[in-house]
Amino acid sequence: GAGVSQTPSNKVTEKGKYVELRCDPISGHTALYWYRQSLGQGPEFLIYFQGTGAADDSGLPNDRFFAVRPEGSVSTLKIQRTERGDSAVYLCASSLGRGNSYNEQFFGPGTRLTVL
Amino acid sequence: KNQVEQSPQSLIILEGKNCTLQCNYTVSPFSNLRWYKQDTGRGPVSLTIMTFSENTKSNGRYTATLDADTKQSSLHITASQLSDSASYICVVSAPGGGNKLTFGTGTQLKVEL
Repeated sequence: GAGVSQTPSNKVTEKGKYVELRCDPISGHTALYWYRQSLGQGPEFLIYFQGTGAADDSGLPNDRFFAVRPEGSVSTLKIQRTERGDSAVYLCASSLGRGNSYNEQFFGPGTRLTVL
Repeated sequence: KNQVEQSPQSLIILEGKNCTLQCNYTVSPFSNLRWYKQDTGRGPVSLTIMTFSENTKSNGRYTATLDADTKQSSLHITASQLSDSASYICVVSAPGGGNKLTFGTGTQLKVEL
């Protein structure tokens, strides 16, 4: 079966541009998460969706970052006016169920974003 | 200060040898602790998940231990293989809805011939 997929795998953009990163979770997974991983660091939580709604967006660094999941499946992370400091690998994960913190999260391969 | 600290930062061992990676955490309250393996250029893959009531859990050649009193965990790898070369990340989850994970910075393991 297909795992979590993310597109594009690599994205190079210029400072100030707008980018969209896409995540396709495992079919049937109601929970979806976005993380950001800088070089040599562990992933940092950005936002969590349960179904279509953002249940926790406390990790978004500022209002240039926004994410949607309109139909409760595919999610898009949107970054406006990109800055060089946004360069990182953006990871998406999905899991079954709700509220059970034992649910395993399955990660995608990530999108490597480079802002020049 | 990181809420999840790992040591060593990096480690090189010979194929066939054993090694132990350490994790100290301050995340509180605490629900469960996970160890992930992350190959270069890939997303993390779960190795073990332990709740606060579990002391040890094994997955093949990987054995994780947890001491919730001292807030310490270890991951022991036996009979290492070249394919074990990766970053090993300790991850702590707080209780409640959301399953938000706090990641350590990882231990970079290299297994050599």
